Amino acid sequence: GAVVSQHPSRVICKSGTSVKIECRSLDFQATTMFWYRQFPKQSLMLMATSNEGSKATYEQGVEKDKFLINHASLTLSTLTVTSAHPEDSSFYICSAGDYSREQFFGPGTRLTVL
Amino acid sequence: QKEVEQDPGPLSVPEGAIVSLNCTYSNSAFQYFMWYRQYSRKGPELLMYTYSSGNKEDGRFTAQVDKSSKYISLFIRDSQPSDSATYLCAMGGAGGTSYGKLTFGQGTILTVHP
Repeated sequence: GAVVSQHPSRVICKSGTSVKIECRSLDFQATTMFWYRQFPKQSLMLMATSNEGSKATYEQGVEKDKFLINHASLTLSTLTVTSAHPEDSSFYICSAGDYSREQFFGPGTRLTVL
Repeated sequence: QKEVEQDPGPLSVPEGAIVSLNCTYSNSAFQYFMWYRQYSRKGPELLMYTYSSGNKEDGRFTAQVDKSSKYISLFIRDSQPSDSATYLCAMGGAGGTSYGKLTFGQGTILTVHP
């Protein structure tokens, strides 16, 4: 399957700071990238869908001003958690898909906000 | 009612057993069905991807879809301790603005003990 990377794999930050997470598709051009968050022992919750060159589509209840998504190229999307708070601590996972509809997931980023 | 229901388990089986994992869904518009495996603190890994009702086999894994009953299953033959993970069913293709989006089940935690 295709390879998707995320960076960083783990980040600890102070409350009020902003954190940027990168998602890269390494061996294919991703027309669409998805951002999920996952709480312990729970399933993946879709946050937003981003298409290259256009604005992201956010799921209901997800604040677009807090979770900024940029999909600047067919291989890179970024998620910025602005003014992070402890309740934002979670496992953030991106996935990348092409026209085949298959989605390939990154390894995830564990965010801890102190 | 959730769109996708999956028994969270946990499920514990001896090595060599046949494992059956199941999901039911309520949205008849779903067109494709996937099974992912997720190890602890890692991103999900695509195992099986099917479009139509019937069985699809890949090594020790068999995915079964019954669209009339809105029921999908994943069978693992000759289970190994390395199969211990969380298994997530996912569905997509419900049309409209949801192109590419997946709806996940809660995930079933599987432990295969030697």
